Amino acid sequence: DAGVIQSPRHEVTEMGQEVTLRCKPISGHDYLFWYRQTMMRGLELLIYFNNNVPIDDSGMPEDRFSAKMPNASFSTLKIQPSEPRDSAVYFCASSLLRWPGSSNTEAFFGQGTRLTVV
Amino acid sequence: SQQGEEDPQALSIQEGENATMNCSYKTSINNLQWYRQNSGRGLVHLILIRSNEREKHSGRLRVTLDTSKKSSSLLITASRAADTASYFCATKGTNRDDKIIFGKGTRLHILP
Repeated sequence: DAGVIQSPRHEVTEMGQEVTLRCKPISGHDYLFWYRQTMMRGLELLIYFNNNVPIDDSGMPEDRFSAKMPNASFSTLKIQPSEPRDSAVYFCASSLLRWPGSSNTEAFFGQGTRLTVV
Repeated sequence: SQQGEEDPQALSIQEGENATMNCSYKTSINNLQWYRQNSGRGLVHLILIRSNEREKHSGRLRVTLDTSKKSSSLLITASRAADTASYFCATKGTNRDDKIIFGKGTRLHILP
């Protein structure tokens, strides 16, 4: 498996534009996570899905952020309209969680998308 | 919040020395994990220790867990330049839908 694949790797956009980040999780993984990383706030969980269903979106900063997972192999994180404070590295991660018993809860991360909003 | 907090925030040591990083958390956990992040890259899983384990080894890595103190430590022995990275602890709560929560990391710099 190629691992978690994110695209694009880098995105520079102007304030007010719509930005769409994409993620392909590892095949067979039940959980998908979107994280944002900045120097000031560290790694923040934005939203996560279980079997394509959003479970917890309490980390999504504002209504400008939305995430979808139309099928088990694809997810998007959209920011509309984008603002300079959204500049960060956005990571997608997937994991296979089995419950109860074996807690095989290692998360596999993509390479991230570095977003710059000017 | 069950978020882990790493200590120290930054650490510089000479190559060949041992590096120790600590993590504290607040609520009961199912397991605790350590991840490494090289500059500009994603996080890579290093080791997982379950709540009923006290110590675990993997190559040059040694992890301890003290659930009574809600703390963990990561020891890297005989450090190498390639160990330069940020190290994060992540905790998984005891409920099924508990998220994996990451700390802010320790930046480790190995001096040649």
